[in-house]
Amino acid sequence: DAGVTQSPTHLIKTRGQQVTLRCSPKSGHDTVSWYQQALGQGPQFIFQYYEEEERQRGNFPDRFSGHQFPNYSSELNVNALLLGDSALYLCASSLETSGRTTDTQYFGPGTRLTVL
Amino acid sequence: AQSVTQPDIHITVSEGASLELRCNYSYGATPYLFWYVQSPGQGLQLLLKYFSGDTLVQGIKGFEAEFKRSQSSFNLRKPSVHWSDAAEYFCAVGSYNTDKLIFGTGTRLQVFP
Repeated sequence: DAGVTQSPTHLIKTRGQQVTLRCSPKSGHDTVSWYQQALGQGPQFIFQYYEEEERQRGNFPDRFSGHQFPNYSSELNVNALLLGDSALYLCASSLETSGRTTDTQYFGPGTRLTVL
Repeated sequence: AQSVTQPDIHITVSEGASLELRCNYSYGATPYLFWYVQSPGQGLQLLLKYFSGDTLVQGIKGFEAEFKRSQSSFNLRKPSVHWSDAAEYFCAVGSYNTDKLIFGTGTRLQVFP
């Protein structure tokens, strides 16, 4: 049973560029959440996707956008990269249960983004 | 404001010693509480969770945690630490009516042989 997978593992970009990160959820899961983990910090919630729509969003600017595909996989896009966007980006998947329930989220290994 | 506090940034213990990692939360709704572990270069692995019921919960790898509503705490414990337990530990809080988890800043555990 495959867990949550993310690609790429590492990425180096320069300021102003755009980046796309990818996530495949754990088998049987239909909900994907994205988190940003800066060095020495805990993960911070970016947004969550369910039924191909953004359901809830954290305190992140519009430069951060996402998409969910019919097979439940997801992409995170960041435009106009800033140095402060350097972080580990984590994807988590879960199974929707009885409405907006915080079910157990299973995390992928993350994508390490470095902005120069 | 919703928040999670892990007061200990770094803890060092000897192998075989007992361990307690502290977690305090501030949350307006009935909390769902989680402990995750992160090894270097890895994602987060769920150790245990509390939604309701018995306030002492058992997790994987011999870990347990106790929910104390009066103290707004959810401390993680292990009676005998193994060298492989060295990692970063994160406490997180959520709720039935939100999709996001709020994490603490983590506690780095170092284990000496």
